[in-house]
Amino acid sequence: AQRVTQPEKLLSVFKGAPVELKCNYSYSGSPELFWYVQYSRQRLQLLLRHISRESIKGFTADLNKGETSFHLKKPFAQEEDSAMYYCALSNFNNAGNMLTFGGGTRLMVKP
Amino acid sequence: KAGVTQTPRYLIKTRGQQVTLSCSPISGHRSVSWYQQTPGQGLQFLFEYFSETQRNKGNFPGRFSGRQFSNSRSEMNVSTLELGDSALYLCASSLGDRVGEAFFGQGTRLTVV
Repeated sequence: AQRVTQPEKLLSVFKGAPVELKCNYSYSGSPELFWYVQYSRQRLQLLLRHISRESIKGFTADLNKGETSFHLKKPFAQEEDSAMYYCALSNFNNAGNMLTFGGGTRLMVKP
Repeated sequence: KAGVTQTPRYLIKTRGQQVTLSCSPISGHRSVSWYQQTPGQGLQFLFEYFSETQRNKGNFPGRFSGRQFSNSRSEMNVSTLELGDSALYLCASSLGDRVGEAFFGQGTRLTVV
């Protein structure tokens, strides 16, 4: 069975500080990993996915298969980054679109 | 282009009743997935439909069912409602080719009393 774990429910940092939101997964096959974000009063939306290797809004995430992790990082947090962040995993070999989500981490960036 | 639209936004039902929720995907998207979001269990996958066929199913009782129409619109139905079914139900659409970006609706908030 696939599982995604986000150990921190809440992460509070000051503006300008580095941010790392942790995500660990367990899956026996070849996973595809995503980070989704939900800003206040907005719908859940994709932030980034590991295969695209992009930096979105200054955030990056590297898939570490050895440690089964997909941590989200940003060197300098901004107040507008305050939101709920979800790590999600999908079955790479399945033709379907089934996402397994972690419990989420609320990021609060203080001024 | 228009986003994923879910109706209604809010529902209050009584235990034992049944409910139908609707989801209109982004134009051109053929895959529609449903998720249940609760404070205790987080986001849990219910099922996915692609070209009117259920392609994946999560670990929910048979009281939860769904369908997809030829225009890709989808409905989910919950019969014999229980208090524990109170949740935010999210619909997501995607192109459907392998794994792609899922676009979420704003959800339907169901309260069972």
